[in-house]
Amino acid sequence: DVKVTQSSRYLVKRTGEKVFLECVQDMDHENMFWYRQDPGLGLRLIYFSYDVKMKEKGDIPEGYSVSREKKERFSLILESASTNQTSMYLCASRVVGDNYGYTFGSGTRLTVV
Amino acid sequence: ELKVEQNPLFLSMQEGKNYTIYCNYSTTSDRLYWYRQDPGKSLESLFVLLSNGAVKQEGRLMASLDTKARLSTLHITAAVHDLSATYFCAVAIGGATNKLIFGTGTLLAVQP
Repeated sequence: DVKVTQSSRYLVKRTGEKVFLECVQDMDHENMFWYRQDPGLGLRLIYFSYDVKMKEKGDIPEGYSVSREKKERFSLILESASTNQTSMYLCASRVVGDNYGYTFGSGTRLTVV
Repeated sequence: ELKVEQNPLFLSMQEGKNYTIYCNYSTTSDRLYWYRQDPGKSLESLFVLLSNGAVKQEGRLMASLDTKARLSTLHITAAVHDLSATYFCAVAIGGATNKLIFGTGTLLAVQP
């Protein structure tokens, strides 16, 4: 089974801190994605990467950046955390040409105080 | 801008009853996915619908896709408590990149 591992289950950070959320997948998937999940809003796409060093903005990229230096790892960076970035963050991956959707990580619940 | 709308947002139903969750979307797509999420857990893939008229069934859940109407349904037959969860539909856009755009989710609570 494909595994998508998010390094932290819970994080508490202070306003203004630089925050790194890490995601690693173990099945050589080309595409990786970062979503945030908020009650009543579903999942919203922040950034995605279709291969190493390639990235594209999703629907809500403001306040975020990403890094993909190796195929298995996709990092989400909050340059200066703010309270409105308190949310559940979900990472996902898929292989190109696979119609069977995404494999999701277990999520990181980030609280910015 | 693609919009994916689910209704209802919240569904409380009794065990043994039937109900349908609806997923409408606003742009052309021939790939639609249903996911389940238990509280505090990640998303689990339920169904992948890849063509107009596709129907998939697993246990008490059946999903269908009408690409002309831009509508998918998730039908629950004789609900049991174990089906309590949040259900999301997601529409694929973007060709090879295959971005998924999610609906808002339907929180299903099955009461004994």
